[in-house]
Amino acid sequence: DVKVTQSSRYLVKRTGEKVFLECVQDMDHENMFWYRQDPGLGLRLIYFSYDVKMKEKGDIPEGYSVSREKKERFSLILESASTNQTSMYLCASSFALGKSTKNIQYFGAGTRLSVL
Amino acid sequence: SQQGEEDPQALSIQEGENATMNCSYKTSINNLQWYRQNSGRGLVHLILIRSNEREKHSGRLRVTLDTSKKSSSLLITASRAADTASYFCATGPPYGNNRLAFGKGNQVVVIP
Repeated sequence: DVKVTQSSRYLVKRTGEKVFLECVQDMDHENMFWYRQDPGLGLRLIYFSYDVKMKEKGDIPEGYSVSREKKERFSLILESASTNQTSMYLCASSFALGKSTKNIQYFGAGTRLSVL
Repeated sequence: SQQGEEDPQALSIQEGENATMNCSYKTSINNLQWYRQNSGRGLVHLILIRSNEREKHSGRLRVTLDTSKKSSSLLITASRAADTASYFCATGPPYGNNRLAFGKGNQVVVIP
């Protein structure tokens, strides 16, 4: 089975702290994604990566950066956490279209981040 | 970017009844997918229907797709308490990258 592992289920940070959310997948997927999920707003894409060291901005990249140094790991970085970044963060991965005709995404269990 | 929109937003049914959810989208798609999310967890893929398909079945799930109306429906037959979850539709673009555009979700509560 595909496994996408997020390093923390719950995280509490202070305003202004630098926060790292880590995600690891074990299926050799080319694509990895970071979403945030807020009540009434659904899933919104922050950043995604289609290869090592490659990244593209999603719909709400402001206040976030990402790092993908190895194929299996995709990190989301909050340079200076703010209270409006309190949210559920979901990581996902998928095969590239060239490897699979189905762009099914596999999700981690999520990290609930509270910024105080 | 295109986005799925589910309707209705919340549904409460008795165990054994059928649950139907709808999803509409705005632009051309390669496929449409449905995902389930149990409370406080990640999303799990349920079923994918391609743009050239009209109906697909998987166990108690039935998905239809009407590309002329840019809409899809998910039917869960003989619902169980374990089907209580949020259900999201997601659309994949006809070309380019592998981004999916997710709807806001549809909460289903199955009462035992």
